Amino acid sequence: EEQLLESGGGLVQPGGSLRLSCVASGFTFNSHAMSWVRQAPGKGLEWVSVINPGGSGTNYADSVKGRFTISRDNSQNTLDLQMNSLGAADTAVYYCAKGDKNTGWFNWGQGTLVTVSS
Amino acid sequence: QSFLTQTPSASGTPGQRVAISCSGSSSNIGSNYVHWYQQLPGTAPKLLIYRNDQRPSGLLDRFSGSKSGTSASLAISGLRSEDEADYYCAAWDDSLNGYVFGTGTKVTVL
Repeated sequence: EEQLLESGGGLVQPGGSLRLSCVASGFTFNSHAMSWVRQAPGKGLEWVSVINPGGSGTNYADSVKGRFTISRDNSQNTLDLQMNSLGAADTAVYYCAKGDKNTGWFNWGQGTLVTVSS
Repeated sequence: QSFLTQTPSASGTPGQRVAISCSGSSSNIGSNYVHWYQQLPGTAPKLLIYRNDQRPSGLLDRFSGSKSGTSASLAISGLRSEDEADYYCAAWDDSLNGYVFGTGTKVTVL
């Protein structure tokens, strides 16, 4: 069974940093693009970042560009999101998702909550 | 931040058909696939329709998708209480070089 499991969420002060991780299992991780998608409390879905299967290509939403860095370790089947200069607007549940623009996101993790507050 | 436009809410009685629209532009829906997601309360989103009108294996055929020009739609036939959820469309945007989501539609079963 394909699974994605996020971790690393928590409470962080404004201006702080946090690193999220997503462990994949049940599929050939290095064959698929991976994304991070977030959802602020009571709000809709917002795409954050995508990385290609090999890890050489990345894209970011304007709202996080220059502050967030997506990366992957195909030897460990892990996807990471390094988040710096966090602000209240970054408070959200962060999901990792498998898929690309042609397939859609077929699999999602359960999400990890990031709360930015003093 | 850019979004695709969806009507905020839709409703119907059990057994009825409900349609949800998603409006975009030539840089997203007009030139890329549209995918639809269902999000039940308190859970992660689930892929409902991919590549405009394709259903993942095992998904009931009560859900169907279509696309025309810069708009897309999701139809739910034979509405059931378990269909109460938020529904989102999404597509790649060539101008933004990123994905855009719809604003979301809350479906209520009366």
